Amino acid sequence: AQTVTQSQPEMSVQEAETVTLSCTYDTSENNYYLFWYKQPPSRQMILVIRQEAYKQQNATENRFSVNFQKAAKSFSLKISDSQLGDTAMYFCAFMMEDSGGGADGLTFGKGTHLIIQP
Amino acid sequence: GAVVSQHPSRVICKSGTSVKIECRSLDFQATTMFWYRQFPKKSLMLMATSNEGSKATYEQGVEKDKFLINHASLTLSTLTVTSAHPEDSSFYICSADQRTNYGYTFGSGTRLTVV
Repeated sequence: AQTVTQSQPEMSVQEAETVTLSCTYDTSENNYYLFWYKQPPSRQMILVIRQEAYKQQNATENRFSVNFQKAAKSFSLKISDSQLGDTAMYFCAFMMEDSGGGADGLTFGKGTHLIIQP
Repeated sequence: GAVVSQHPSRVICKSGTSVKIECRSLDFQATTMFWYRQFPKKSLMLMATSNEGSKATYEQGVEKDKFLINHASLTLSTLTVTSAHPEDSSFYICSADQRTNYGYTFGSGTRLTVV
């Protein structure tokens, strides 16, 4: 079974600063996907960024980027120029690659509550 | 973009009654949908995988007779909480497999309160 660990229950930074959220995972699989989801107070889950394990290049989506270290099983999220609207819960998630047996659900970490201060 | 509609958003029911929650993929077909449960200030826990035209697959510890899942079409999965008790009160979220970019779209969730 896979496990996902987020060791920072809560973080707080000033607007416009850069913040990094940490995530580690444990798996014996070689092919998988990693995600960061944002859950604002509305509780709608929003995909922030995804990373395919077979890709060495770190994924980037505008102000969001990841540092994917496959050997270390680490998948951190960096948010640059943080904005008030970035305040939310952030969940790191793991998904195994579909090997033909059908899609798998996501395994989530416990989440990090990120607060952006004005 | 892909949209998943989940209804109702909130429901209050009496102990012992059953409640049905619907999850619809509005602009794509989803052979697989997932149901999660989220306790306050906690993470999402996968409850079951819903497969169109076949029986759902439940995670360990989830009572399949209490949480009935039906996936009768490629755009609709339902979760029925049977004989609900106060401990079933929680936030339930569904997601659907788009298969296009290896990401899942989530519904907006259902807050269930059993009194």
